[in-house]
Amino acid sequence: DQQVKQNSPSLSVQEGRISILNCDYTNSMFDYFLWYKKYPAEGPTFLISISSIKDKNEDGRFTVFLNKSAKHLSLHIVPSQPGDSAVYFCAASARNSGYALNFGKGTSLLVTP
Amino acid sequence: GAGVSQTPSNKVTEKGKYVELRCDPISGHTALYWYRQSLGQGPEFLIYFQGTGAADDSGLPNDRFFAVRPEGSVSTLKIQRTERGDSAVYLCASSSDAQTGYSEQFFGPGTRLTVL
Repeated sequence: DQQVKQNSPSLSVQEGRISILNCDYTNSMFDYFLWYKKYPAEGPTFLISISSIKDKNEDGRFTVFLNKSAKHLSLHIVPSQPGDSAVYFCAASARNSGYALNFGKGTSLLVTP
Repeated sequence: GAGVSQTPSNKVTEKGKYVELRCDPISGHTALYWYRQSLGQGPEFLIYFQGTGAADDSGLPNDRFFAVRPEGSVSTLKIQRTERGDSAVYLCASSSDAQTGYSEQFFGPGTRLTVL
């Protein structure tokens, strides 16, 4: 049973524009949410996170928004750069499970020059 | 400093064989996680260690899978009687502490297991 869903398998954006990646979750026990970036043949790399007590967290070009009532989060990248091209995974975790990560299937982002 | 390392990077085995996959976490990290990523999927949680003990093994798919962390550092994931469906990338992650709040999980590069 997929508790974290990323419904867009791929996204293509022009350099300089905004990339918006979406994620939905079903488990109301999740209290910490993360985005990971992954290149081929490498492990996922942490990008940005947000606690359930917040609705926005910003780090440079990356902003994560959390809508708890809708059980939805999104990652905004602005401006997008070709080096951002990678697979992005949304993940959610809960304290009562030792913060083990539940991942979505990923969205492959391609930023074109 | 050294990150999480995993050996081997690739493992090809035949159906029915036994395999061991090793994870060396970041020094001092008490929490260690194993995940499995099948083609086209996100990583799927298998087991979580806090120190030497398995705090949550609810993700292990069946009793052919077993993991140990005898000294609270290196961990070994063991798969008996491998099946073709076990083919995947096995990822290990470690974090400094998972008991007092979320701490970042650092991932290794993974071991790609292929069962022929």
